Amino acid sequence: DAGVIQSPRHEVTEMGQEVTLRCKPISGHDYLFWYRQTMMRGLELLIYFNNNVPIDDSGMPEDRFSAKMPNASFSTLKIQPSEPRDSAVYFCASKRLDDGEQFFGPGTRLTVL
Amino acid sequence: KNQVEQSPQSLIILEGKNCTLQCNYTVSPFSNLRWYKQDTGRGPVSLTIMTFSENTKSNGRYTATLDADTKQSSLHITASQLSDSASYICVVSVGVDSSYKLIFGSGTRLLVRP
Repeated sequence: DAGVIQSPRHEVTEMGQEVTLRCKPISGHDYLFWYRQTMMRGLELLIYFNNNVPIDDSGMPEDRFSAKMPNASFSTLKIQPSEPRDSAVYFCASKRLDDGEQFFGPGTRLTVL
Repeated sequence: KNQVEQSPQSLIILEGKNCTLQCNYTVSPFSNLRWYKQDTGRGPVSLTIMTFSENTKSNGRYTATLDADTKQSSLHITASQLSDSASYICVVSVGVDSSYKLIFGSGTRLLVRP
């Protein structure tokens, strides 16, 4: 398996623009997680899905952030409009129902100018 | 408040030396504790996982310990190599059946110099 796949790996955009981050979880995994990592706050859970259904989005910072999982093999995290304080590395992770281990993707480094 | 604190924040050692990283947690109810290694520009990768009843677990040159009474864990790296340079993150799972709920420490940045 190729592991969790994220795209793009790097994104540079201007304030006010819409940003869409993409994630393909490991095939057969039931859970998908979106995290944000900054130097100041470390890793933070934004939202997670179970069988494509959003379960807990309490970590989503604002209404500007939204996430979808239209099927078991694809998820998006969208920021609209983006702000400089959204600059961070965004990780996607997935796991099986019967295994606590989460497998992380390589991350998307977002820079909002 | 569920919290995971790690020390030191950063550490520089010479290749071949040993080192120990610390993790203190205040998490309830405790499920398990993991140590992750995160190389620069990559996602975290699990090194070890320990449940309440486990005191020590090894993965090659990495040995993790857990003291559930004092709520402390350590990660010992033996005979360090240049490839050990990375951030090491202590992560505690909250709840009996909620392994998704992870509390992350801020990490220790380790630099191994030749």
